Amino acid sequence: AQSVTQLGSHVSVSEGALVLLRCNYSSSVPPYLFWYVQYPNQGLQLLLKYTSAATLVKGINGFEAEFKKSETSFHLTKPSAHMSDAAEYFCAVSRLTGGGNKLTFGTGTQLKVEL
Amino acid sequence: DTGVSQDPRHKITKRGQNVTFRCDPISEHNRLYWYRQTLGQGPEFLTYFQNEAQLEKSRLLSDRFSAERPKGSFSTLEIQRTEQGDSAMYLCASSLTDGSYNEQFFGPGTRLTVL
Repeated sequence: AQSVTQLGSHVSVSEGALVLLRCNYSSSVPPYLFWYVQYPNQGLQLLLKYTSAATLVKGINGFEAEFKKSETSFHLTKPSAHMSDAAEYFCAVSRLTGGGNKLTFGTGTQLKVEL
Repeated sequence: DTGVSQDPRHKITKRGQNVTFRCDPISEHNRLYWYRQTLGQGPEFLTYFQNEAQLEKSRLLSDRFSAERPKGSFSTLEIQRTEQGDSAMYLCASSLTDGSYNEQFFGPGTRLTVL
């Protein structure tokens, strides 16, 4: 079985400050890990993914995440927050073979960006 | 726009009524997924199709739920005898499958409210 835990259901940062959203995973097989963003009343958009290549993954909109096997973590960061980053962020886990690549999501972190 | 589309975007119904949602995937995608997202939670996997074959169903998919994908193109999700607990956002996603991990592209969702 696979699962992810997102620490902090709400995170608030000032515009220009570092964004750090935490995700820890549990998986019995090498995981594939993802971060998605969801804006109000919209579907999910993929920010970045880890699929066993480089452990530091760069995504869209200046976001990046580092896969740390020893810590079972895949935290999302952005050096400087922008007002447009305010949204809900979901960490998800999947695996390549078996299970049809279905995604198992965390409960989400709502990011608020203040002036 | 050739993304994943869902219809309707919003549905309000009374308890006990039947509802049907439609998803049109990206045209060349052979996999189609349904997820359910309740307030304050991440999306949860319901079922997926590869072409017209339904390959997996979650335990969340009770007997009142049925999904089809005739001819491997669009898909429908029907809920019979709706209950208030069915109120949620129903998300559809599609992807290719070629042996490697392929990104799932999500539609905007159908928000169901059961009164």
